[in-house]
Amino acid sequence: DARVTQTPRHKVTEMGQEVTMRCQPILGHNTVFWYRQTMMQGLELLAYFRNRAPLDDSGMPKDRFSAEMPDATLATLKIQPSEPRDSAVYFCASGPTLQMNTEAFFGQGTRLTVV
Amino acid sequence: SQQGEEDPQALSIQEGENATMNCSYKTSINNLQWYRQNSGRGLVHLILIRSNEREKHSGRLRVTLDTSKKSSSLLITASRAADTASYFCATANTGGFKTIFGAGTRLFVKA
Repeated sequence: DARVTQTPRHKVTEMGQEVTMRCQPILGHNTVFWYRQTMMQGLELLAYFRNRAPLDDSGMPKDRFSAEMPDATLATLKIQPSEPRDSAVYFCASGPTLQMNTEAFFGQGTRLTVV
Repeated sequence: SQQGEEDPQALSIQEGENATMNCSYKTSINNLQWYRQNSGRGLVHLILIRSNEREKHSGRLRVTLDTSKKSSSLLITASRAADTASYFCATANTGGFKTIFGAGTRLFVKA
């Protein structure tokens, strides 16, 4: 049963701490998206990768956020230092590279609370 | 900034009735997708319609796309209480990869 796996599912941290969220895309999927969901802003696209290369990270605050794909099976989103306004649910999604007209498969999300 | 905007923001109907949600977008698209999200869960893909298609069906779902008006609609027929969820439209740009979501419509189906 292929699925996108995100860890941790929940994270509570203090302001100023580093937070790392991980995503394992579906095997064979080379397009990876990071979204942030809040009540106020809805689903915001933070960054997306194709074949591990960042295609667009314009939605991401550059001063504190960074997204990488160390290898094809792992995508990471880091926040350093974290702030209370970063509290949100962060979703990772993946899709097949060779087919543009296809859906994105979402993970269950990481619920981040920064206190 | 969000590409798609759903209308209405919230919809409450009786079981068995049809539910119609609309989505408008701003720029040229490669395709438009509808997703569903149950409370506290991830998003699940429902249906994708390409920019050269006008209508698509999947079970009780019917999606239309009007590229001249930059709008789409999702119709759920014979709704069920289990259809209660938030529904989002998402558009992919002409390159096909960058997928932007709208604000969503919260649907509540009363049993």
